[in-house]
Amino acid sequence: DIQMTQSPSSVSASVGDRVTIACRASQGISNWLAWFQQKPGKAPKLLIYAASSLHSGVPSRFSGSGSGADFTLTISSLQPEDFATYYCQQANSFPITFGQGTRLEIK
Amino acid sequence: EVQLVESGGGLVQPGGSLRLSCAASGFIFSDHHIDWVRQAPGKGLEWVGRIRNTANSHTTDYAASVKGRFTISRDDSKNSMYLQMNSLKTEDTAVYYCAKVDTYGNWFDFWGQGTLVTVSS
Repeated sequence: DIQMTQSPSSVSASVGDRVTIACRASQGISNWLAWFQQKPGKAPKLLIYAASSLHSGVPSRFSGSGSGADFTLTISSLQPEDFATYYCQQANSFPITFGQGTRLEIK
Repeated sequence: EVQLVESGGGLVQPGGSLRLSCAASGFIFSDHHIDWVRQAPGKGLEWVGRIRNTANSHTTDYAASVKGRFTISRDDSKNSMYLQMNSLKTEDTAVYYCAKVDTYGNWFDFWGQGTLVTVSS
């Protein structure tokens, strides 16, 4: 199974800050990676697919980069509604696996 | 508008069975793979299994943790898919989400709101 490791596990930031979350796969997955945002009590929402493509309706302050085994999600200027937990997911092979999540908290 | 609505969750004793349903609308259901993903209380996301579209003969794949105990099926005439869970364990306690698989890759572009399954005596 491909293991996905996110860092950091949690981060505190302020509105307007730039935040970067990293995700590392235990083996190369080309660009078969997605990022999700989840708020408490809600289902996850797709933000980024194919490592760097923005899902429909997602604000342009979200961006993704990387290929192979190392990926990043960047939020260019944090908004109040961005405080949530973020997950990466490898879409390269079965079983599909997720990172453990990164909790983005208000400083 | 794409919608996925899960139902059937509840409290069940260890060793018991439960059947979850996922009703879909807003897209051509038979064209898409649909997965189940679960989330234990306070924990991360865990993929459970997939049922493929009609073109792929409704074949299935399962996570090792549920293989042999869970069965996914679908009825395209009802735009619905199902998760039959047998021999339930306390560690199966989670919110279960159905999620539509994107056409171009194994990521989930739309999710249901989830249904809570609690396995406890």
